[in-house]
Amino acid sequence: KAGVTQTPRYLIKTRGQQVTLSCSPISGHRSVSWYQQTPGQGLQFLFEYFSETQRNKGNFPGRFSGRQFSNSRSEMNVSTLELGDSALYLCASSLGTSGGEQYFGPGTRLTVT
Amino acid sequence: EDQVTQSPEALRLQEGESSSLNCSYTVSGLRGLFWYRQDPGKGPEFLFTLYSAGEEKEKERLKATLTKKESFLHITAPKPEDSATYLCAVHPYSGGGADGLTFGKGTHLIIQP
Repeated sequence: KAGVTQTPRYLIKTRGQQVTLSCSPISGHRSVSWYQQTPGQGLQFLFEYFSETQRNKGNFPGRFSGRQFSNSRSEMNVSTLELGDSALYLCASSLGTSGGEQYFGPGTRLTVT
Repeated sequence: EDQVTQSPEALRLQEGESSSLNCSYTVSGLRGLFWYRQDPGKGPEFLFTLYSAGEEKEKERLKATLTKKESFLHITAPKPEDSATYLCAVHPYSGGGADGLTFGKGTHLIIQP
């Protein structure tokens, strides 16, 4: 069974621009969560989508948003990029939202200059 | 506020030298505790889920245990390929909070031949 895929793997953007990241979950998984990983803060929860609905959101500004499509694929958007948004953005999928295992993709490395 | 603290931050062992990694947590209610392994440049790889105090899970040279306040990841006779960052995460019951996984900062493990 194919794992979680994320595109693109690497991205370089300029401050003030916006970016869209994509995530395809494991086949049959309906929940997709997004995390930001930085050396200083570690892994931090951004938001979770289940059946095209955002179920939970972490403590990030409104510049971070996402959506999920009917095939469970998800996109994450960051507007008005700041230097501090440079990070590894990880997507994780799971069967449901009741606390089961989450399986992570390889991540998208975003660099903001 | 949900908190996860991992210790030590870094650990260097000789091949075959067994040891334990610690994960202490504070949550209002625990749905599950997860252990992940992360190699450089990759997403976290799922290892174990523990749901209740007293539970134990094993996989090859790894064994995870859970009490009401902490979890241990025991590594028996490690090999160089066990070198990685080991992450602990808790999935708390929603109390108006984010309800995503809360991660510790990880233990960077190096096994020397």
